[in-house]
Amino acid sequence: QSALTQPPSASGSPGQSVTISCTGTNSDVGAQNYVAWYQQHPGKAPKFIIYEVRKRPSGVPDRFSGSKSGSTASLTISGLQAEDEADYYCCYYAGRSVLFGGGTKLTVL
Amino acid sequence: QMQLQESGPGLVKPSQTLSLTCTVSGVSISSDGYWWSWIRQHPGKGLEWVGYAHHSGSSFFNPSLRSRCTMSIDTSKNQLSLNVDSVTAADTAVYYCARYDTSDYDHLPLDSWGQGTLVTVSS
Repeated sequence: QSALTQPPSASGSPGQSVTISCTGTNSDVGAQNYVAWYQQHPGKAPKFIIYEVRKRPSGVPDRFSGSKSGSTASLTISGLQAEDEADYYCCYYAGRSVLFGGGTKLTVL
Repeated sequence: QMQLQESGPGLVKPSQTLSLTCTVSGVSISSDGYWWSWIRQHPGKGLEWVGYAHHSGSSFFNPSLRSRCTMSIDTSKNQLSLNVDSVTAADTAVYYCARYDTSDYDHLPLDSWGQGTLVTVSS
């Protein structure tokens, strides 16, 4: 199993939107809609923010949205805020295994 | 409110067995809808899934770790355990436990996490 591919970094200014991609294959991301996203601030545990490609758990602001096209899933954060600066990880969780992406460090300029 | 708390020795010698415990509070670890997972994060690196366990005894592991890992659930203590055999420096990481909630129509993968515990493998 290979990790999902994410860009190592992304950035945006407060108020702007930023999109982070997560590329897999036809055997994972492209096969089913079991894609999740996690936000991790330095020194903290990851926080669950998106599941099944586009669904938000309760309490997650609607500034966070997910989508998928083919074997690439995406996380879009609109109305960027300073507290959105963190690492973001995608995850494919179907079946009996879990695959994470390498993570993207988001900088809010 | 649900909480997960990892515990274990901060330092393990190479070739020995790493043993960690995750104590769950606020929910029953033996709920049929919950799977329990370990995830690790090497220093400065990304997340790596270690495995899942269910109170029924079922478990699934990352193929790269399967030969060295065991997970178990003690329902009397509401605890999840992880053993990793024959450790090397490459096993140095922060180890997290987390829940996969399949109890409702919407399955929530790794929806709650512990704070993590750092394990260093060194002589």
